[in-house]
Amino acid sequence: DIQMTQSPTSLSASVGDRVTITCRTSESVSRYLNWYQQKPGQAPKLLLYAASSLQSGVPPRFSGSGSETDFTLTISSLQPEDFATYYCQQTYTLTFGGGTKVDIK
Amino acid sequence: QVQLQESGPGLVKPSETLSLTCSVSGGSITTYSWSWIRQPPGKGLEWIGYIYYSGSTNYNPSLKSRLTISVDTSKNQFSLNLNSVTAADTAVYYCARRITMVRGYERYYAMDVWGQGTPVTVSS
Repeated sequence: DIQMTQSPTSLSASVGDRVTITCRTSESVSRYLNWYQQKPGQAPKLLLYAASSLQSGVPPRFSGSGSETDFTLTISSLQPEDFATYYCQQTYTLTFGGGTKVDIK
Repeated sequence: QVQLQESGPGLVKPSETLSLTCSVSGGSITTYSWSWIRQPPGKGLEWIGYIYYSGSTNYNPSLKSRLTISVDTSKNQFSLNLNSVTAADTAVYYCARRITMVRGYERYYAMDVWGQGTPVTVSS
């Protein structure tokens, strides 16, 4: 089974900060990796697919990079509405990472 | 605008069967494939399985022996049945649309529309 490791598990940041979240897979998934954002009490929302393709309607401050086993999600300038938990998911066996909670410093 | 709505009992007894339905509105269920995902209280997301409108399925291996996902195209609905439940099956259950994006020679999949989720507690 493909193991997913997200880091950090949580972080505190301020509005305007650049935030980077890492997702590592135990074996190569090529670019078959998606990122989701989930706010408390809400369903997850698709941000990026194919490692770096922005889903329609998602602000361009969100970007993704990486391939094979190492991936990153970057928020270039954190906005108040971005405080949430972020999950990566590889689409070989559909496992999710454990999540990264971004809260206010 | 496609919308999804989960429905079903919020309380299930241990050893019984958890049954949920996802109703699709604003679009045809025959156009995409459809997923179930769950989230235990305070924990992360777990993919359960997905189904094509044809009835072809793919299940999480850890749940496969207890799981059935089915589709009813006449009602524009798909359903989840999970038998022999225990407290570990307590979670918010989400249904979602699974879409395909083509980039060059590659096909990529993601869940782009989600239901609001329905909480299910397993308890006597």
